[in-house]
Amino acid sequence: EVQLVESGGGLVQPGGSLRLSCAASGITFSTFRMHWVRQAPGKGLVWVSSINSDGDSGNHADSVKGRFTISRDNARKTLSLHMNNLRLEDTGVYYCTRGNWNTRGYKYFDPWGQGTQVIVSS
Amino acid sequence: SSELTQDPAVSVALGQTVRITCQGDSLTKNYASWYRQKPGQAPVLVLYGKNSRPSGIPDRFSGSTSGNTSSLTITGAQAEDEADYFCNSQDSSDSNVIFGGGTKLTVL
Repeated sequence: EVQLVESGGGLVQPGGSLRLSCAASGITFSTFRMHWVRQAPGKGLVWVSSINSDGDSGNHADSVKGRFTISRDNARKTLSLHMNNLRLEDTGVYYCTRGNWNTRGYKYFDPWGQGTQVIVSS
Repeated sequence: SSELTQDPAVSVALGQTVRITCQGDSLTKNYASWYRQKPGQAPVLVLYGKNSRPSGIPDRFSGSTSGNTSSLTITGAQAEDEADYFCNSQDSSDSNVIFGGGTKLTVL
């Protein structure tokens, strides 16, 4: 079965840290770019971070740059997001998803994990 | 502009056809992908590229692009199609990944 399973979410105070993980199974992991996408309560999807297949180049949205770090372990088929100096506005569900780029140049996200909830609150 | 604009809400009568649109400058260079999200669930890919559907997505879902506007069309909408729909654009360098604000589809 194709699965991405996130973990590590929880309640944290402003300024605190969390580490999210995403475990892949049943899918090819090591040759694909991986992404984190978040969704604040009642709001839309927002791209957060991505990392290339080798794990040596990450991109981050301006809103998290300098605070979040994305990493991966291809041997363990695991994606991580280290979140520091968390703010109230970081609250939301965090999804990991695989970035696909097919031979026609089409880019899309599939599959998606079920998400892990992050609540930043004092 | 690095934004994708969607109508917040659209409704359709059961069995009728509905078009959900996504507008933005990035769509003149990149095809959109579309995601369906039901309450409490993760997004699911429904369309990508020029007009490609992943396995398991019924053929009543189709896509098109004209200029800076991408459209998702559901021909013969079913009750189970009621959900939020998000469009997405990604450039070739993955440095500009944006989602539309989402359209809530109600099937009457």
